Amino acid sequence: DQQVKQNSPSLSVQEGRISILNCDYTNSMFDYFLWYKKYPAEGPTFLISISSIKDKNEDGRFTVFLNKSAKHLSLHIVPSQPGDSAVYFCAASATGTASKLTFGTGTRLQVTL
Amino acid sequence: NAGVMQNPRHLVRRRGQEARLRCSPMKGHSHVYWYRQLPEEGLKFMVYLQKENIIDESGMPKERFSAEFPKEGPSILRIQQVVRGDSAAYFCASSPEDRGRGSIETQYFGPGTRLLVL
Repeated sequence: DQQVKQNSPSLSVQEGRISILNCDYTNSMFDYFLWYKKYPAEGPTFLISISSIKDKNEDGRFTVFLNKSAKHLSLHIVPSQPGDSAVYFCAASATGTASKLTFGTGTRLQVTL
Repeated sequence: NAGVMQNPRHLVRRRGQEARLRCSPMKGHSHVYWYRQLPEEGLKFMVYLQKENIIDESGMPKERFSAEFPKEGPSILRIQQVVRGDSAAYFCASSPEDRGRGSIETQYFGPGTRLLVL
């Protein structure tokens, strides 16, 4: 069962515009969420996280929004840059589960000139 | 570079051979996690270890797979009698000692080992 879902396998955005990547989860025990960025042949790089006690967390060009009632989170990148082109993974964890992460299948972001 | 280190980066094995994947966590990190990524899929949790202890191996196949994190040296993921279906990217992540009170620490990933079974 896919507990973390990223329903858009790919997204194309023009440089300078906003990129919005979405993630849905089904397990109500999840209380910590992370976004990772991954280039080909490299490991995932941590971007930003949010705890379930918050609904927004911001770090530079990256903002993550959490809607607990809808079990939905999104990553906003503004302005988008060509170097942001990568695969973005949403991941979730639940307190008391030894911090193991459950990942979505990823969204490939292409930022065009 | 004080990041998570994994070796080898690429490993080719024939069916029936053994594969050994190594992971050195970031300096100061005492928790190690192994994940597997099959083509076109997300990463799947396999096992979580602390020094000399397996904390959670719920994602690891019961047969042929084993993991350890000895007091000295890197963490090892061992796959015996490999089959073609074991071909995947294997990622190791590490995190620091948790601060207690149910806190969850961010995991930092290594570059992965790409295993190809012929």
